[in-house]
Amino acid sequence: DAGVIQSPRHEVTEMGQEVTLRCKPISGHNSLFWYRQTMMRGLELLIYFNNNVPIDDSGMPEDRFSAKMPNASFSTLKIQPSEPRDSAVYFCASSSTGQANTGELFFGEGSRLTVL
Amino acid sequence: AQSVAQPEDQVNVAEGNPLTVKCTYSVSGNPYLFWYVQYPNRGLQFLLKYITGDNLVKGSYGFEAEFNKSQTSFHLKKPSALVSDSALYFCAVRDIGDYKLSFGAGTTVTVRA
Repeated sequence: DAGVIQSPRHEVTEMGQEVTLRCKPISGHNSLFWYRQTMMRGLELLIYFNNNVPIDDSGMPEDRFSAKMPNASFSTLKIQPSEPRDSAVYFCASSSTGQANTGELFFGEGSRLTVL
Repeated sequence: AQSVAQPEDQVNVAEGNPLTVKCTYSVSGNPYLFWYVQYPNRGLQFLLKYITGDNLVKGSYGFEAEFNKSQTSFHLKKPSALVSDSALYFCAVRDIGDYKLSFGAGTTVTVRA
């Protein structure tokens, strides 16, 4: 079975540019999470979707960050404009309702973003 | 509020020796507890979880963890470590009724041959 698929795996961009990260959750999963991982702050939850609806976006750092889930099989995380402090690894994770209730998340391989 | 503490940044053991990675937690209610492992340049992989029942939980790759309510701990253990167990290990906690997982800072395990 295909796991959570993220693209791109690596992105290098210049400050001020728009960055779009993509995620395809596991088929049948109805919960989707975006996390950010940095050395300084560890793993941070950015946003949580359930049945394509954003439930909690309190972790989104600021208005430069936005996330969408137009359907059950696709989500995007956009940063506009990007800044060097946004450099991190961004993970998407999905689960079914039952697993989300017990916390078993399935993570993608991550998108490593470098903003110069 | 919920939180997790992993008191050791690094754990170093020799192959064949027992491995323990420590975790303590804080939740307002009853906890769901988890261990995840991350290999270099990879995503997190689920290892095991405690929801209820037996305090000793067995998971993937020969790992197990013991839930200790009085000490609010959930230490990860493996009786005989392998070089391939070298990775970053995360403990996580979720309060029953909440969807948010709170992750610890992670512990880097190095198993030397």
